[in-house]
Amino acid sequence: NAGVTQTPKFQVLKTGQSMTLQCAQDMNHEYMSWYRQDPGMGLRLIHYSVGAGITDQGEVPNGYNVSRSTTEDFPLRLLSAAPSQTSVYFCASSLGPLVVFGPGTRLTVL
Amino acid sequence: DAKTTQPTSMDCAEGRAANLPCNHSTISGNEYVYWYRQIHSQGPQYIIHGLKNNETNEMASLIITEDRKSSTLILPHATLRDTAVYYCIVRDYTGANSKLTFGKGITLSVRP
Repeated sequence: NAGVTQTPKFQVLKTGQSMTLQCAQDMNHEYMSWYRQDPGMGLRLIHYSVGAGITDQGEVPNGYNVSRSTTEDFPLRLLSAAPSQTSVYFCASSLGPLVVFGPGTRLTVL
Repeated sequence: DAKTTQPTSMDCAEGRAANLPCNHSTISGNEYVYWYRQIHSQGPQYIIHGLKNNETNEMASLIITEDRKSSTLILPHATLRDTAVYYCIVRDYTGANSKLTFGKGITLSVRP
């Protein structure tokens, strides 16, 4: 199993650009989520999904969209990037008690 | 808001046991205690979890008080590679509300 994979590892955007952060898991996990981590802070939940076709907002959802068309994939879309979205983004998945995190995407918005 | 409180930092000598405390006084009956750690900017790594009984695995031991209002993560023989931020989290994974809510964690520094 590859576990949770995230692409790209690094990304630089200009203000106003859009992009999609990819997240995939091959463990048939129902629950997937996106977090962001800013310097010196813990992880904050952006959006999560309890299964294909079902998504919900976390604590910091503004500026981000998600969809869950398959069990395996949970992309995070930034429609119009802002400097405040400069952060490290982690995707996670779980089935039951164990939550597995991906390696992260480091995003810089200029 | 995170439902746990942890000291900001602590250190221990290499080879000694590291005891990391956590308070979770508002924990509910169906919430588990989880510990994760994060080394540098890597993704958080699962360590251990428990409900009310003490737990042990190849990485660590988790001691939960009888009233479940606090717990301690024990790394029995800390190494330099255990230097990381450790997060104590309470989570009910049995329902739809199964997200992990992170606080700021405790920074453990293992000194040679």
